[in-house]
Amino acid sequence: DTAVSQTPKYLVTQMGNDKSIKCEQNLGHDTMYWYKQDSKKFLKIMFSYNNKELIINETVPNRFSPKSPDKAHLNLHINSLELGDSAVYFCASSHLAGELFFGEGSRLTVL
Amino acid sequence: RKEVEQDPGPFNVPEGATVAFNCTYSNSASQSFFWYRQDCRKEPKLLMSVYSSGNEDGRFTAQLNRASQYISLLIRDSKLSDSATYLCVVNLNNNDMRFGAGTRLTVKP
Repeated sequence: DTAVSQTPKYLVTQMGNDKSIKCEQNLGHDTMYWYKQDSKKFLKIMFSYNNKELIINETVPNRFSPKSPDKAHLNLHINSLELGDSAVYFCASSHLAGELFFGEGSRLTVL
Repeated sequence: RKEVEQDPGPFNVPEGATVAFNCTYSNSASQSFFWYRQDCRKEPKLLMSVYSSGNEDGRFTAQLNRASQYISLLIRDSKLSDSATYLCVVNLNNNDMRFGAGTRLTVKP
C-alpha cells in the first residue's frame, strides 16, 4: 500500500489551461502539505493543512487553490497555467511535527 | 536571512572519505529537525531525525547545536551509493516544515 499517493505523475498541458493534482494519505496523519520543486531543485512549501484547516499559505498566487475535503486528502487546483508553473509538485503528510512522508511527485510541464 | 540555509555544494569526494554538511536555521523556537536524502527524479526520503543529544545510525551521525542554531550530518566511509542530494528540514513552528537548498554529494571510485 502506498502511504502517500498523488495523481497524475506526469502532466503536460498548454498555457492558460486549468489542471488539478490529487493527493491521498492512508497514514492517519493530521497535517498535509504541497511543495513545489523547480528546475533549481529547491523544495518550496506552498500550503499546509491541519485537519482540513489551512495553516500555511506561502505567498502562492491566487491561481493555486488547495482543497482538503477530509484530512486524508489534499488536492491542488491550478488555474490559467503559466510557463513558470512547470515543476515537480510533491504532496507530503506528517503527524505531530514528526517526519514528512512524501508522494512520488507530479511533474507538470506547461508548454 | 533565509529560514534555513544550506551550502548547495557540490561535494565531490572519493570512496571512503568522510564528509560533513551543515545547515543553519533562523528561528530559535524551531521544534524538530531532520535530514532527508533525495535521488535524481525521486521524492525526498527520511535519512534521520536529529535529536538534541545527537544520534548515530551506522556511518551517519547527526547533531543539533541549539545555541548556534545549526544541524550537521556526518557521513563516514562514503560509498558510491551515498551519491545523492542531502536536504535539511526544520520545523520552524506549528508544522511549518522548511527545506534547505540541498547539498549535492557525488562519491567517486
